[in-house]
Amino acid sequence: ILNVEQSPQSLHVQEGDSTNFTCSFPSSNFYALHWYRWETAKSPEALFVMTLNGDEKKKGRISATLNTKEGYSYLYIKGSQPEDSATYLCAFKRGGTASKLTFGTGTRLQVTL
Amino acid sequence: DGGITQSPKYLFRKEGQNVTLSCEQNLNHDAMYWYRQDPGQGLRLIYYSQIVNDFQKGDIAEGYSVSREKKESFPLTVTSAQKNPTAFYLCASRNPDYQPQHFGDGTRLSIL
Repeated sequence: ILNVEQSPQSLHVQEGDSTNFTCSFPSSNFYALHWYRWETAKSPEALFVMTLNGDEKKKGRISATLNTKEGYSYLYIKGSQPEDSATYLCAFKRGGTASKLTFGTGTRLQVTL
Repeated sequence: DGGITQSPKYLFRKEGQNVTLSCEQNLNHDAMYWYRQDPGQGLRLIYYSQIVNDFQKGDIAEGYSVSREKKESFPLTVTSAQKNPTAFYLCASRNPDYQPQHFGDGTRLSIL
């Protein structure tokens, strides 16, 4: 079983703060790295699929970077808003493993006024 | 609207009983997945199917069974051999390669 780790486990910030989380994954045989946002009482929603070392993706105030050589990805949220409160999951796909994804345990973000 | 429908939302199982969780998608996706979530843990893969009439075990397949007779449907049976079935179950689908997964709303299974 692959080891995909996310840190911190939870985070509590105030509205307007910028924040970032980390996803660590095996650095060998990389294929893709996914980020999802999971709000309470909803289904997980895809944010980014990252495939190349050095990739940077952006969606509104949320952005992500990827370093496949050292096996990590950062997710950044600029100017956090209460609606950003959710659990953020990363998922790693190794080459040659058909279509399997291995998920991390997630970072739970709470944004207060 | 295209999406994934899981039913029921809540399910209760008696000792020794098999129960089946439904997952239907109208996204025309080839691959479908079942995950289990326990408190404090990530999503763990139970079974997945890349194409009709084919499926593979995931990391925690013991005590579960699946079928994939139609592209749209991927039901999961929790058998009596699964001794700790209480969990939240998520179904997902996607087209392969660099596409993200789409998820259903989940089924919460509890023991009576």
